[in-house]
This record gives sequence, C-alpha cells and structure tokens, in this order.
Amino acid sequence: NAGVTQTPKFQVLKTGQSMTLQCAQDMNHEYMSWYRQDPGMGLRLIHYSVGAGITDQGEVPNGYNVSRSTTEDFPLRLLSAAPSQTSVYFCASSYGQVGQPQHFGDGTRLSIL
Amino acid sequence: AQKVTQAQTEISVVEKEDVTLDCVYETRDTTYYLFWYKQPPSGELVFLIRRNSFDEQNEISGRYSWNFQKSTSSFNFTITASQVVDSAVYFCALSESSSGYSTLTFGKGTMLLVSP
Repeated sequence: NAGVTQTPKFQVLKTGQSMTLQCAQDMNHEYMSWYRQDPGMGLRLIHYSVGAGITDQGEVPNGYNVSRSTTEDFPLRLLSAAPSQTSVYFCASSYGQVGQPQHFGDGTRLSIL
Repeated sequence: AQKVTQAQTEISVVEKEDVTLDCVYETRDTTYYLFWYKQPPSGELVFLIRRNSFDEQNEISGRYSWNFQKSTSSFNFTITASQVVDSAVYFCALSESSSGYSTLTFGKGTMLLVSP
C-alpha cells in the first residue's frame, strides 16, 4: 500500500527558479491538498482539490499553482521560487466528505537560496 | 482569531509522568470534527483520533486518552506513563461542516519531549 507519495524528499533551489512538487495517491480519494509547515506555524493550507479539474485556494496560495488532471495526481508548482517559500511541504488526500481523516505523504523539504 | 489554539509550545517531562496537551477550538458550526495528529522526529504525520461534535464521550486507547468538552470548546489529549517514544510534535486540527469538504485547520502544535 503506497498511500500518498511525494517526490522529491529534499530539494534546494535558487531564487527565481521554478519547480514542481509531485504528489500521487492510490486510494481513489476525491480530496487532495497541499500544506506547508513552518516552525511555530503549524500546517497551513495552500491549495486543495475536490476532484479532477477542480481546484481552489487555501490560506496561503500566493506563489503557488496547482492542477488536477487525474484523480491520482496533484502537483504543486512554484513558478519563481522565493526564500519565503523555504518550508516543508505536505500533500494529503482523503475522501471528500467533511470529517474524513487526511492521509499525509512524508513531506518535501524545500530550501530556496 | 485562531480557530485552533494549542497554547503549550513545548512540554518537557520525565518518562512515566502523565502529560496533558491542551487544544481549544473556535467554530460557529454545529457539526464539526476534531483531530489529533502526531509528528515524530522522522517527520511524517500520523493520524491519532477523530471526534465529531455530537460525541462527547471520552476515548481511551492504551496510554492515550482524549477529553472532549463542548462547554469549554476543548479537546485535550492525555498521555499516561509517558515514554521516550512519545516525543513528537502533536497537532490538534478542526474540520468544519461549513467548508463542505475535509479541509483541516491546524493548531500550531505542541512539542513534547520525554526524557529517560
């Protein structure tokens, strides 16, 4: 059981570079989301999707793009990386109904120099 | 205002001590869900428990127990006879029916350090 798979696990970028963080799930979950975790801030929602072709913004969407072309995949794109985007990024998936537990990937640690 | 407040940033205990992690939430929904997640030093997020707003029964799972009190908007987590392996960051989270989906709002987390 793979669950939620995130790649890469670690990445270092230079300011201004672009990058796509990959997320895939094999549980046929409708709902997928991206969070960022910063020290002392908990996890904050970046973007989420309730199904293929449907995405919406979370609490901290600026600087990030997402798309959902399939149920399984939900990539997160940084078009022009900034040092403020240095963080640990988590992808999660669940069934779409309110109250469903989220299943998290192992995270991607991203550093922007 | 924060929707989920974990006022304890860091707690240090000695093994075998009991410890309670506090969580206070804020919502106008009558239907909502509360969660606890554990993040060990290895970094992954582990789901521990879910409680819906209509079920105020306390829950016990081994050394873990949870106390949900709607009157004080709290969902506290107690570890009995703590062990070194309990050292982790613990997050409380809220899912509100008004969001329409399983979106979670997290507290800032409490880091628990259990020393031998």
